Amino acid sequence: GAVVSQHPSWVICKSGTSVKIECRSLDFQATTMFWYRQFPKQSLMLMATSNEGSKATYEQGVEKDKFLINHASLTLSTLTVTSAHPEDSSFYICSARDLTSGGEQFFGPGTRLTVL
Amino acid sequence: QKEVEQNSGPLSVPEGAIASLNCTYSDRVSQSFFWYRQYSGKSPELIMSIYSNGDKEDGRFTAQLNKASQYVSLLIRDSQPSDSATYLCAVTGNQFYFGTGTSLTVIP
Repeated sequence: GAVVSQHPSWVICKSGTSVKIECRSLDFQATTMFWYRQFPKQSLMLMATSNEGSKATYEQGVEKDKFLINHASLTLSTLTVTSAHPEDSSFYICSARDLTSGGEQFFGPGTRLTVL
Repeated sequence: QKEVEQNSGPLSVPEGAIASLNCTYSDRVSQSFFWYRQYSGKSPELIMSIYSNGDKEDGRFTAQLNKASQYVSLLIRDSQPSDSATYLCAVTGNQFYFGTGTSLTVIP
């Protein structure tokens, strides 16, 4: 089956630092990847849609200068949280869409970010 | 109106019973329908996909699709405590939409 990996799985950082999260589709090419954020006991919140080779499309209310997304290849997308603050602490999950099969999204295992 | 609607629950069923999860969608051109399971603290996992009207069975899971009525459901037979999770309905047409999820608790 389709496998999506994420790295790191958890990270703790000091306020003001930047954190990069990698999302890879391991056995399929993903022209589209998605980044979600989820706070405890809340629903998934789509942050942005990332298409290979083009700029990401951000959802309303998501600061593009704070959450930098790069989708440089068909198997890799990165999310950089710049100048992280405690309110950015959350569970960040990426997914990749496999259009060669049924078009479903496959999720990475998530990255738990804690900003001190 | 939201593109995909689910009852947030919580839904509680006794062990061994059938759990029924429902989802309605608004976009008539929707083509593909998915059910995901999300355990607390984990990312969603795809458990079922359905593309045409009718039933699709996979083990204890049955997905049902009715495009005329714009609903899709998931039945879990012989529910187990390990089925306790949040179940997300997803629909694709021009875009990919998730529901907010239904929380299911299976009581031993």
